[in-house]
Amino acid sequence: DAGVTQSPTHLIKTRGQQVTLRCSPISGHKSVSWYQQVLGQGPQFIFQYYEKEERGRGNFPDRFSARQFPNYSSELNVNALLLGDSALYLCASSLLSLTKTYEQYFGPGTRLTVT
Amino acid sequence: ELKVEQNPLFLSMQEGKNYTIYCNYSTTSDRLYWYRQDPGKSLESLFVLLSNGAVKQEGRLMASLDTKARLSTLHITAAVHDLSATYFCAVGANTGTASKLTFGTGTRLQVTL
Repeated sequence: DAGVTQSPTHLIKTRGQQVTLRCSPISGHKSVSWYQQVLGQGPQFIFQYYEKEERGRGNFPDRFSARQFPNYSSELNVNALLLGDSALYLCASSLLSLTKTYEQYFGPGTRLTVT
Repeated sequence: ELKVEQNPLFLSMQEGKNYTIYCNYSTTSDRLYWYRQDPGKSLESLFVLLSNGAVKQEGRLMASLDTKARLSTLHITAAVHDLSATYFCAVGANTGTASKLTFGTGTRLQVTL
């Protein structure tokens, strides 16, 4: 079975531009989460989506937005890019329960470089 | 706010030696995870620990969980060079509408000959 897929693999953007990252979850998983990993740090939670609704949001500015499609794939959008947005963006899919956390399976990531 | 701390941040050890990585977290949780990350790569799941006293082993790695102390350990036995990587612990938190992982700072392990 295919795991979590993400595109593109690498991306170079200029400050002020906008970027869209894409993620397809494992078949049968309806929840997608996005994490940002700055070099040398642990991943930080950005969003979780389930059934096309935002279920959770981390401490990120409104320049970050996301959506989930009927096929459960997801896009992460970042507007007005800053140098500090340079990071590895990880997508994770999982089952979702309101009573416990299920294991999250991570995709290969998109490496975003902002110049 | 849930905080997860790992120590040490960097560990250089010789092949054949044993060592332990510690993960402390600040609030109760129903799950604790250990991940491995190679440079420039994504996260590889190593262990999922579900309950107090849980112990899991895979090869030279063994993870344990003490929920009362809010402590998990990752023990490395007779290290080999292939274990060189960064290791993260992550704590699962359920807010009632979302479930997310809060990661530690990571421990960069370097195994030398």
